[in-house]
Amino acid sequence: LAKTTQPISMDSYEGQEVNITCSHNNIATNDYITWYQQFPSQGPRFIIQGYKTKVTNEVASLFIPADRKSSTLSLPRVSLSDTAVYYCLVGDMTRDDKIIFGKGTRLHILP
Amino acid sequence: NAGVTQTPKFRILKIGQSMTLQCTQDMNHNYMYWYRQDPGMGLKLIYYSVGAGITDKGEVPNGYNVSRSTTEDFPLRLELAAPSQTSVYFCASSYLGATGDRSGNTIYFGEGSWLTVV
Repeated sequence: LAKTTQPISMDSYEGQEVNITCSHNNIATNDYITWYQQFPSQGPRFIIQGYKTKVTNEVASLFIPADRKSSTLSLPRVSLSDTAVYYCLVGDMTRDDKIIFGKGTRLHILP
Repeated sequence: NAGVTQTPKFRILKIGQSMTLQCTQDMNHNYMYWYRQDPGMGLKLIYYSVGAGITDKGEVPNGYNVSRSTTEDFPLRLELAAPSQTSVYFCASSYLGATGDRSGNTIYFGEGSWLTVV
């Protein structure tokens, strides 16, 4: 997996849009960008994956610029239940057997 | 659909005791993983397996052993429990097809096993 850098923690308020940026300067041509969400006392769960431009699903959007050296996870109108740790993983899942999670970004939503 | 099932959910061990954390998945996934997570910290990969009969070390394998005799099961063995092994343990699995879809390999996690060594 490529080395990634994310903020350690972020605070936001209910109803706001939250953007978490992940830097991955050494991303390779075949690498995909995947985000996982981990609620307290639970295992992580997949939320979104992309290769380039923009991906949107019912949970989040993922913005990837043309150079793909960073990506931004966007959570629209967050609620208290979005308080979680968010992990950014970058890699070629056909080659990278050893899936290592970094420290992630601890998002705290305030009322 | 059970997904990834871990047992036990909670366990207290005395120093020097041994135990096995059980993990089974019913999704016919070829890849399986064991992670540990200390309070307030990120996940650390202990061991992983790319298929039955094949296992390899992760970031923090010392003090643990694994086996993968079937596709479904991936037990984690602690031989001589130490206080440093107090943690939450997560088992996970994923599928990678023979043709290698690079977009795939979503990882599914179990609910975790809370282990305290005293």
